[in-house]
Amino acid sequence: QKEVEQNSGPLSVPEGAIASLNCTYSDRGSQSFFWYRQYSGKSPELIMFIYSNGDKEDGRFTAQLNKASQYVSLLIRDSQPSDSATYLCAVSGNTGGFKTIFGAGTRLFVKA
Amino acid sequence: GAVVSQHPSRVICKSGTSVKIECRSLDFQATTMFWYRQFPKQSLMLMATSNEGSKATYEQGVEKDKFLINHASLTLSTLTVTSAHPEDSSFYICSATKGTEAFFGQGTRLTVV
Repeated sequence: QKEVEQNSGPLSVPEGAIASLNCTYSDRGSQSFFWYRQYSGKSPELIMFIYSNGDKEDGRFTAQLNKASQYVSLLIRDSQPSDSATYLCAVSGNTGGFKTIFGAGTRLFVKA
Repeated sequence: GAVVSQHPSRVICKSGTSVKIECRSLDFQATTMFWYRQFPKQSLMLMATSNEGSKATYEQGVEKDKFLINHASLTLSTLTVTSAHPEDSSFYICSATKGTEAFFGQGTRLTVV
């Protein structure tokens, strides 16, 4: 079982719609959860982080965490073509110097 | 957020030569840095954990004699790809952790010809 799993996609949504990205993780000791956006040929950039169960909202982005289900998601409201990218779910724990493990990423296409 | 600088951003080298990539934390001290490799359309794969003042910890399947890591100071880690071959061509990315948040360098596109 992979440590962090994501649907590779591509996920295609029309402009203005809500994009929903999902991620599951295997290590119950994980403490920190991140969503990164990566454009082709570029390094990842942090979109959201969440540490506690529940929802966390930042602008058009909402991260949701359910530790009991080992599930974290990212909602993007009012999707824009510029949101088209690969979204990486990342998880880190309290061992290995907060080593961050990444999922394979979900490719999102927002159609104008 | 914190700044991590990676250099060079792009390098082309001949097969059999060695290439050094630098990763610097510019505005914070990082006792631990991480090196990732990313092949096209794949996710970041952790290669090794670089520890300041001690030996790096390599992930399973990563050759420590081929990918030399030196973390000589609290702000600098280097990755040297020795005797590079075309199959080593990839996007190499470093990160440093401040608190629990990982900050990434710009990445290095290595092409071995």
